[in-house]
Amino acid sequence: GAVVSQHPSWVICKSGTSVKIECRSLDFQATTMFWYRQFPKQSLMLMATSNEGSKATYEQGVEKDKFLINHASLTLSTLTVTSAHPEDSSFYICSARDPKGFRETQYFGPGTRLLVL
Amino acid sequence: DQQVKQNSPSLSVQEGRISILNCDYTNSMFDYFLWYKKYPAEGPTFLISISSIKDKNEDGRFTVFLNKSAKHLSLHIVPSQPGDSAVYFCAAYLTGANSKLTFGKGITLSVRP
Repeated sequence: GAVVSQHPSWVICKSGTSVKIECRSLDFQATTMFWYRQFPKQSLMLMATSNEGSKATYEQGVEKDKFLINHASLTLSTLTVTSAHPEDSSFYICSARDPKGFRETQYFGPGTRLLVL
Repeated sequence: DQQVKQNSPSLSVQEGRISILNCDYTNSMFDYFLWYKKYPAEGPTFLISISSIKDKNEDGRFTVFLNKSAKHLSLHIVPSQPGDSAVYFCAAYLTGANSKLTFGKGITLSVRP
């Protein structure tokens, strides 16, 4: 199947700093990428849908000024957590939709664990 | 409001036996369903899917059954193997503008050797 990478895999930062997470589709061009957040023993919660060359669409309750998403190319989307606070500590996962793939099969990255001290 | 529900948080089965993972949904407009498998600290991997026009889809040891009238689907794993131990997420999709996957909370499957 298609491969999606994320970098970094984990990050520890001080409260107030900003953290950038990269999501790359390695062997296909993804016009649409998704950013999810997962708390322990909880479902994957969609944060935003990222479309190449246009503004991201955020889910209700997600602060777009806090979680900046940029989808500058067909293989790269970035999520920047601005002025991170301890409550932002979570597991962030991206996924990419292969337009040549079957319907809504999304390929997920390995995730990024963020810990804000 | 949880539109996709996986009410059992965990399931433990003996190696070689059948694992049955259940999923219920509330939105009758969902037209495509997927199961993902997830290991700790990793992203989910696609396992199997089913369209709403079907009631069964089989792929090797994995079979997904869909009961539209009951808004229920299940994933059967036969025979279960220790390597199947993971969290399994059920997801549903509604075709249309701004469509997206809606995930359940997941079921932790433990297969005992």
